Formats: sequence, structure tokens, C-alpha cells
Amino acid sequence: QKEVEQNSGPLSVPEGAIASLNCTYSDRGSQSFFWYRQYSGKSPELIMFIYSNGDKEDGRFTAQLNKASQYVSLLIRDSQPSDSATYLCAVISNSGYALNFGKGTSLLVTP
Amino acid sequence: EPEVTQTPSHQVTQMGQEVILRCVPISNHLYFYWYRQILGQKVEFLVSFYNNEISEKSEIFDDQFSVERPDGSNFTLKIRSTKLEDSAMYFCASSFDVEQYFGPGTRLTVT
Repeated sequence: QKEVEQNSGPLSVPEGAIASLNCTYSDRGSQSFFWYRQYSGKSPELIMFIYSNGDKEDGRFTAQLNKASQYVSLLIRDSQPSDSATYLCAVISNSGYALNFGKGTSLLVTP
Repeated sequence: EPEVTQTPSHQVTQMGQEVILRCVPISNHLYFYWYRQILGQKVEFLVSFYNNEISEKSEIFDDQFSVERPDGSNFTLKIRSTKLEDSAMYFCASSFDVEQYFGPGTRLTVT
């Protein structure tokens, strides 16, 4: 069973701080990695994806990938209370279709 | 901005009944998916659909489930004989390439 692991949290950060969310995956052959945000009772919302080692930035979000360590992270700069949500890490299957999700990390940004 | 839409938002059915969940993917997308999320659990892949056929399915997607694209816009998930354990949020997603965009979901309650 190919696993995607995330700390369930909650991770609490003060407003304006950097939130760091981590994810590890078991399948060394995995190619593409996704971060979704899910508010309570809502559907997953795509934040960004990454497939190359290193950093990828999009606004306040930076995804980091280290394939050697099988580790993906998401940094949120200048965290806002509206960022309070569950952040889901997902890895695409070898077939290129199915997303395999982690259980998510709950983030709480306190004013 | 184009969105995936789903109907109904909430469906209540009795055990053993058939249900059809409907989705309208984003118009220029080529790949269509169904996922489910049981309350408090992770998002789970059910099936992907491309070029009018199933491209991948999970172990969850057994003979009780079927998918169809009956016309150029709709994508449906049928559960033939619902069980109590089918109660979950069902999300439709679509993609043009690897980035999958999720609809708002249908909450299915089986009594």
C-alpha cells in the first residue's frame, strides 16, 4: 500500500508567521505532488503542484520537494486567519490518474 | 472562472436503493474522476474516466458502482444497491492535464 503521511496537527501559528506543513510518501517512483486546502465541510481546493526537486513559489505559498528523502512541504508566508483549514498532500499514481491523499494537517492561524 | 458543479448537494436514500450522482466537469477538460470522503477520513480515489472509458479504478469501485458520460457535459456515478457504509461525501473532479479541480460534492446519506 502506497502511503502518504501527514501530521494531523493541529498546527497553530500566529497571524503573520510562516506556517510549515510536511508530508512524506512511500513510493520512491512517485512523480507529481499536490497540495490542496480543504475548509470544513467543503471540497479540496488546489493550491499548487510540484514535480521537480527544489522550491516552487506561487504568491504566499512555496512548495518544496526532496525526492531523495521522499518529502514534500508547503510553506505559507504571512499566514492569515483565513488560511485556517486542513491542508492535504496528494501524490499521483504511477498511471497518472489517481490522487492518493494523506489525511491532512489542520492549520489554525490565530489573530 | 469555470467550476465543476455537482447535483444534488445532499441525497438521502434507503439501504438497497440505487442512486445517481451527477457532475458537470469544466468544459474543456478531458479527464474526469470520482472520489469519496467518509466523515473524518481521508479523500479516497474511486475511478477515473478518459476518452469514454474507465482509465483507472480503485478496490472500492466494485460491481456496485458504475460511471457514465451520457452526453457532452454530464458525468455520472451510479451506486446500484447502496449500503450503510456508502454514506460519504462524493466529489467529482476534472482535469485538462494533471491538475485536478474538485466540485463542491454530494453528501450521500444511506439510512
